[in-house]
Amino acid sequence: DTAVSQTPKYLVTQMGNDKSIKCEQNLGHDTMYWYKQDSKKFLKIMFSYNNKELIINETVPNRFSPKSPDKAHLNLHINSLELGDSAVYFCASSPGTGGDTQYFGPGTRLTVL
Amino acid sequence: AQKVTQAQTEISVVEKEDVTLDCVYETRDTTYYLFWYKQPPSGELVFLIRRNSFDEQNEISGRYSWNFQKSTSSFNFTITASQVVDSAVYFCALSGRGDDKIIFGKGTRLHILP
Repeated sequence: DTAVSQTPKYLVTQMGNDKSIKCEQNLGHDTMYWYKQDSKKFLKIMFSYNNKELIINETVPNRFSPKSPDKAHLNLHINSLELGDSAVYFCASSPGTGGDTQYFGPGTRLTVL
Repeated sequence: AQKVTQAQTEISVVEKEDVTLDCVYETRDTTYYLFWYKQPPSGELVFLIRRNSFDEQNEISGRYSWNFQKSTSSFNFTITASQVVDSAVYFCALSGRGDDKIIFGKGTRLHILP
């Protein structure tokens, strides 16, 4: 009965590779998000989709591309991985926007060697 | 611009002591929402509370309580009779009514010593 799930939980890869992280929510929410948490624990939003439409696209390198095949899924694809991409990536969902509570997935720890 | 400041980077207390985590926010919105999240050592982000700007009543949930004061733009979190399991990073966050995102503070790392 997991609410927001992410796969994989851990991802170790070489610089220059392309990788994807998948996220699924079974809460019936309309909005999904990707956050990046750096080594100092700072949480920063990257993207948000509402009903499959991109509504937030923060200053993120073009190498990061989100895709939402339906409102229950939001995937993150990263091209040409760099050392600085190492972080924990969290997916979240909320019923709508405008102050709704966001519920987070367990996180994906990405390590780029 | 919206901003959340958690001035306490790290706090250590001995088990059973009470501890208060401070949160100060800035916003020009008249309607906004404040949140607290907990991130234990296992890494997940756990939602604790959401308050809207029109509800200044303090809230208590077991050993946890929250003090919301609009006059000082603060939304402080107190743990009474702390336990080792309370050790975590705690994030305060803010969202405006018309916003699509939540702004997080930098977090306070809380150590409860046995």
